[in-house]
Amino acid sequence: NAGVMQNPRHLVRRRGQEARLRCSPMKGHSHVYWYRQLPEEGLKFMVYLQKENIIDESGMPKERFSAEFPKEGPSILRIQQVVRGDSAAYFCASSRFRRGLAGTDTQYFGPGTRLTVL
Amino acid sequence: AQTVTQSQPEMSVQEAETVTLSCTYDTSESDYYLFWYKQPPSRQMILVIRQEAYKQQNATENRFSVNFQKAAKSFSLKISDSQLGDAAMYFCAYRSAAHDMRFGAGTRLTVKP
Repeated sequence: NAGVMQNPRHLVRRRGQEARLRCSPMKGHSHVYWYRQLPEEGLKFMVYLQKENIIDESGMPKERFSAEFPKEGPSILRIQQVVRGDSAAYFCASSRFRRGLAGTDTQYFGPGTRLTVL
Repeated sequence: AQTVTQSQPEMSVQEAETVTLSCTYDTSESDYYLFWYKQPPSRQMILVIRQEAYKQQNATENRFSVNFQKAAKSFSLKISDSQLGDAAMYFCAYRSAAHDMRFGAGTRLTVKP
């Protein structure tokens, strides 16, 4: 059973370009979460999605960032007009059941995408 | 707001010895989950152990165990018989039905041969 897949593992963009990060959840998982990790810091929650729905985007910056999880295909985190401050590791996690369902609240993480903005 | 505090930025342990990593959290909720994740140099986040708040018994996974003190809001991780492969960043995390994962700032563990 393959784990959470993320690609690319490393992404370099110049200021003003767009970055697209992809996440394929574990087989049987329909809930996806995105986190950002700045250097020497812990992970910060960004957004929680189910298929075709954004459930919680309270951690997403108001501008330039968007996320989707279509019916078919991976979840996409999109950053428009990147700036140097967007340089970070972006992690995706997935779970089998929805957030809060007792006893099933374990998230499994992908290897992350390291975004560098020049 | 739910916050997670790891007061030890760095810890060091001799191979085969035992080390305890500290974590405290702040919450007004009664039902939640606590986790310890390990992040080696590869940066992959690996689940080490989890604890449900409603369970009084401390979770254990082989050489890893926790000391969960709900009243004190404390959730420390004990690593017994430390191995070189245990060297990594360790993150404590909190999650509830209403809030997504909150991570501490991490503790960097060094294992000396």
